[in-house]
Parts: sequence; structure tokens; C-alpha cells
Amino acid sequence: GESVGLHLPTLSVQEGDNSIINCAYSNSASDYFIWYKQESGKGPQFIIDIRSNMDKRQGQRVTVLLNKTVKHLSLQIAATQPGDSAVYFCAEKRDFGNEKLTFGTGTRLTIIP
Amino acid sequence: DAGVIQSPRHEVTEMGQEVTLRCKPISGHDYLFWYRQTMMRGLELLIYFNNNVPIDDSGMPEDRFSAKMPNASFSTLKIQPSEPRDSAVYFCASRLAGANTGELFFGEGSRLTVL
Repeated sequence: GESVGLHLPTLSVQEGDNSIINCAYSNSASDYFIWYKQESGKGPQFIIDIRSNMDKRQGQRVTVLLNKTVKHLSLQIAATQPGDSAVYFCAEKRDFGNEKLTFGTGTRLTIIP
Repeated sequence: DAGVIQSPRHEVTEMGQEVTLRCKPISGHDYLFWYRQTMMRGLELLIYFNNNVPIDDSGMPEDRFSAKMPNASFSTLKIQPSEPRDSAVYFCASRLAGANTGELFFGEGSRLTVL
């Protein structure tokens, strides 16, 4: 069935280093892939998204890579800071009137000072 | 600029009681979503509305759950009767139609504990 999953449930990174969070998806019909960050006690917060016709998109300190051949999505965070500690979710949705966003299970990123 | 506002933030109730969760979306947003988050099942979409009309309620667990959106600035999610397995964090989110992005704006959530 359709699923959006994550390779690793936890990830620890030294402050200042770069981190990479990975996500596998199975629905080749997805049009949008989105990364959300959720801090403890808060709702998910949008980080960055990418359309299926792109393979890379950059934001501030973040880069999302999409490999449709192997149905893989990754979020790279450069020069990590303590405030980056959170759970990161990948999500997918289809375009054209379907607003359902399907979330993966999440990866907990811990930045070590 | 106010974000999505949910109430109550925390609710503890006993099995069998009625629970009503409330949401005020961001002004001007056309879509409103109710999600449930648990450790076991992650974030699940329960229902979403477009212009106050329910579009997809296939995620609503059972008849004990109901959601309404009487106007563009208010929605409720009701559980009657509540059961311990309904314990979760319930999130409301909204977005603007036509926005060329997958971004949803989430509230802070309502943590429900059913004893």
C-alpha cells in the first residue's frame, strides 16, 4: 500500500556539523514532498517542500533532495544548531485537488553541544 | 499575525464522557484539517474541509467522532463517547487555497487523555 517511511528513528549530530535525514516513499503518484519540524509540545512546522519535477531545492541552511528513481527524499541541515533538535517528518501529497497530506513516522534529531 | 488557535490545550476526561475540541484557523485560509498524533500511528489525517464543507472524512475512526465547521473561522471535533484509545494529541491545521506549496499551518494541539 501507499506509505511514507523513514530509515532511522533517531539521529545525533555534533553542533556545527551537517545532518542528513532520509525518507523513503512508495507512492510514485505523489506531486509534492514536504519536510516538517516538530519541537516538543508544539505543532509541526513547515520547513521546505519540493515538487516531483525537481530534484533539489535549497532554503536557509536546508536542502531537500529528491531521487524519484529510488523513491528517496532527504533533508540536509547545514551547520546544525541546538535549536535544530526536534522530530522531523517527511510528508507527501498529490496535486490537483487532493489536499491529503500523508506523514512519515518521524526522525528525532538531537544536536549535541 | 495570529496562527491557528486550538482549545483546550489539555483535556483529561473519563471514559464515556463527551469531548469537544475547538479550532480557529488562520483568517482567510480556505482549508481546515484535523490530524491526530499518537506514538503508535504517528500523524493521521482525520478530516478536512474546504470553504466549510467536509471534503474527506475517510480518516475519522468511527461514528463516535464528528467534526463540524459552521463558519470560516471555527471548527469543532467531537468525540462521544470517549474511550481510552482516543488519547492522543489532536492538531488542527489550515492553508490557503491556490498556494503553490504543500505548507500547512498547524496549531499547538490539544492533548487529550481519556481515563
